[in-house]
Amino acid sequence: AQSVTQLGSHVSVSEGALVLLRCNYSSSVPPYLFWYVQYPNQGLQLLLKYTSAATLVKGINGFEAEFKKSETSFHLTKPSAHMSDAAEYFCAVSKGGTSYGKLTFGQGTILTVHP
Amino acid sequence: DADVTQTPRNRITKTGKRIMLECSQTKGHDRMYWYRQDPGLGLRLIYYSFDVKDINKGEISDGYSVSRQAQAKFSLSLESAIPNQTALYFCATSAYVRGGADSTGELFFGEGSRLTVL
Repeated sequence: AQSVTQLGSHVSVSEGALVLLRCNYSSSVPPYLFWYVQYPNQGLQLLLKYTSAATLVKGINGFEAEFKKSETSFHLTKPSAHMSDAAEYFCAVSKGGTSYGKLTFGQGTILTVHP
Repeated sequence: DADVTQTPRNRITKTGKRIMLECSQTKGHDRMYWYRQDPGLGLRLIYYSFDVKDINKGEISDGYSVSRQAQAKFSLSLESAIPNQTALYFCATSAYVRGGADSTGELFFGEGSRLTVL
């Protein structure tokens, strides 16, 4: 079985500050890992994904995440927060292979950005 | 136009009523999914279909049924709605190209259908 834990249901930062959203996973096989973002009244869109290539993954809007196998983590970061980053962020894991698309999602982290 | 379209976007209904949520996609993907989102619980998989003749239960399928009418259409039904089925429902699609860039199962989501059961 696989699972995802996002530490912190709410994160608040000031504009221009570092954004760090934490995600830990468990998986019985090498995982595929994803970060999705959900803006108000919209569906989820992919920020970035880890597919067993480079451990540091760069995504859209200046976000990046680092896969750390020893820590079973895939934390999302952005050096400087912007007001437009306010949204809910979801970490997800997939086993890949025949399980394509069967993602297990974390609980979500709501990011608030203060002026 | 959106690649994955869900109808209705909002629906209020009463306990015991039958409800159908519809999803259509223009991405040409074989694989389609229905997820349910609840605050603090993230998204949970209800049903998924890897092709027109393939239907599979997800982790929370009780009280739901699905129909894959065509490659592009996948509908979710609540035969007798109950209040704890009040949630935001998402349809999603994914491609499958063995060994290709889409082999990771990246999902493409619709904008969601908000269902309230009174």
